[in-house]
Amino acid sequence: AQKVTQAQTEISVVEKEDVTLDCVYETRDTTYYLFWYKQPPSGELVFLIRRNSFDEQNEISGRYSWNFQKSTSSFNFTITASQVVDSAVYFCAPDFSGGYNKLIFGAGTRLAVHP
Amino acid sequence: GAVVSQHPSWVICKSGTSVKIECRSLDFQATTMFWYRQFPKQSLMLMATSNEGSKATYEQGVEKDKFLINHASLTLSTLTVTSAHPEDSSFYICSARVLGQGDNSPLHFGNGTRLTVT
Repeated sequence: AQKVTQAQTEISVVEKEDVTLDCVYETRDTTYYLFWYKQPPSGELVFLIRRNSFDEQNEISGRYSWNFQKSTSSFNFTITASQVVDSAVYFCAPDFSGGYNKLIFGAGTRLAVHP
Repeated sequence: GAVVSQHPSWVICKSGTSVKIECRSLDFQATTMFWYRQFPKQSLMLMATSNEGSKATYEQGVEKDKFLINHASLTLSTLTVTSAHPEDSSFYICSARVLGQGDNSPLHFGNGTRLTVT
């Protein structure tokens, strides 16, 4: 079965702390894509990153970084020096559909960053 | 760029009535749009894939006669919740893939429509 697990339901940190959001998935496919989206309180989903299964190079974008470990089927997301504006629900969403953009959304991790 | 607009943002309707939700790609064309449903504090569940000029493809368990999808142009898909009941109350979100960007390109999401059926 194909599924995605975000075990952390809610995380609460104080501003400037680093925080890592976990994402673990299951699939027998060798080719797939992994996405992270952010959903702020306003409701819209904001694209953060896309990674294909053949590219295991870690990526950094400003305060955001992603660690993809194909061997453990994990695609974790770290926010460095968190800010209040980072408060949102973050979804890990693999696409195992072979190019049909059928994302499977994890349960989401609600991140609260306090001043 | 790549803005997706949903209308209305929220709607309250009486049980038994139908509600139409529009999803527009404002600055790009989209042959494929997706409709999701999200219950409070839960994840997004894919309801159907909307294809321009053809019938939508529904996910297992989603009633196609209940949730009518029409994708009449490259910039507009509509979801009509027919004979709405309180259990249909939810947050409906559409997304679109930019025409020409290829498979697995990031989806662009609308800001969602909160439906409340009384």
